[in-house]
Amino acid sequence: GENVEQHPSTLSVQEGDSAVIKCTYSDSASNYFPWYKQELGKGPQLIIDIRSNVGEKKDQRIAVTLNKTAKHFSLHITETQPEDSAVYFCAARDSNTGKLIFGQGTTLQVKP
Amino acid sequence: DAGVIQSPRHEVTEMGQEVTLRCKPISGHNSLFWYRQTMMRGLELLIYFNNNVPIDDSGMPEDRFSAKMPNASFSTLKIQPSEPRDSAVYFCASSLNGGRDTGELFFGEGSRLTVL
Repeated sequence: GENVEQHPSTLSVQEGDSAVIKCTYSDSASNYFPWYKQELGKGPQLIIDIRSNVGEKKDQRIAVTLNKTAKHFSLHITETQPEDSAVYFCAARDSNTGKLIFGQGTTLQVKP
Repeated sequence: DAGVIQSPRHEVTEMGQEVTLRCKPISGHNSLFWYRQTMMRGLELLIYFNNNVPIDDSGMPEDRFSAKMPNASFSTLKIQPSEPRDSAVYFCASSLNGGRDTGELFFGEGSRLTVL
């Protein structure tokens, strides 16, 4: 089945800097890769996703890149702001079961 | 729309007691998921329903856990008897068609369970 590894587990940046979170997956047939943001005391919320037929997707300060050959994908946040502080989860859809398999999460702290 | 509604938000109970967590999905969504979140294991899918029918319960840890969805607007996750290792945040999420089309799962705010 699908296995997703996420790094780093914690990340601290200064406001205005960029943040990058990386994930690898094992199922070469996976075709859907979402990113969720979880704020304190809340449930995860989808912020961006990418499908396997594209290599990059951007939405304002957030971008996701996908390298199917290497089986890894990354989240890039530019011009970070204190409100970006949260736990971020990557996920990949298992091609056999259709289940979303989540990474372990990255706690991002943006220092003002 | 009010989003996915879970209750209770917090539950503290003693080992051996029965715990029932409740979820109301977003109206019109036909898929419902129960997840468990712990520091050690992250987000784990316990069970999911499609059109009120359980499709995959392979993530349910053991027979002490059971889930039902009697209608399209209500689901329960029950733990009987509860144990300290069940302490976690339990999330309910809903989507259209299992998220296969839009891909998006909508999560509730979670039920934090502490078993003493």
